[in-house]
Amino acid sequence: AQSVTQPDIHITVSEGASLELRCNYSYGATPYLFWYVQSPGQGLQLLLKYFSGDTLVQGIKGFEAEFKRSQSSFNLRKPSVHWSDAAEYFCAVDPGGGNKLTFGTGTQLKVEL
Amino acid sequence: DGGITQSPKYLFRKEGQNVTLSCEQNLNHDAMYWYRQDPGQGLRLIYYSQIVNDFQKGDIAEGYSVSREKKESFPLTVTSAQKNPTAFYLCATGRGENTEAFFGQGTRLTVV
Repeated sequence: AQSVTQPDIHITVSEGASLELRCNYSYGATPYLFWYVQSPGQGLQLLLKYFSGDTLVQGIKGFEAEFKRSQSSFNLRKPSVHWSDAAEYFCAVDPGGGNKLTFGTGTQLKVEL
Repeated sequence: DGGITQSPKYLFRKEGQNVTLSCEQNLNHDAMYWYRQDPGQGLRLIYYSQIVNDFQKGDIAEGYSVSREKKESFPLTVTSAQKNPTAFYLCATGRGENTEAFFGQGTRLTVV
């Protein structure tokens, strides 16, 4: 079955430290890949997306993600975390390009000052 | 303002009652989606519509119904057949293939 795995439920980092959130997917072909962020009680905001081309994708708020086909991964990174980055992060895939997304279970990020 | 409006933000209903959640968009997007979010489970697709007067079931459609009479509107009815309706419901829109989805601010439904 098609699936998206975010192995880390909670991550805590210190402000200014680097961050990497993991995402692995299980699909027959390379799907479209997304990272969304959600603040408590709010909707989802798109951070970045990968459709094709350069495997290192730049997004908003200083985030980037790297697609690795051999590992079926699309990990999210940020060199220096800010306290305002505390939120829940969701990796999502769209296998058919029609916006029908399959989401991972999310990673809750806490930032220590 | 362009965007997706979900109303109300909070909704309380008694068990056994049907309830309808509103989703309106002025982005002129053809496709609209309903997702359900539960803690620790991510988001799951309930129903989607890629064109007016047409919609399809998603992964967890049982106990829900939708209509798409206008391009701008995609209301979701949570029926009494839904065994565990308390959740956060998110509406999304899309411009079509090879694009991202845009999300509303959500409706938190609590059934008591």
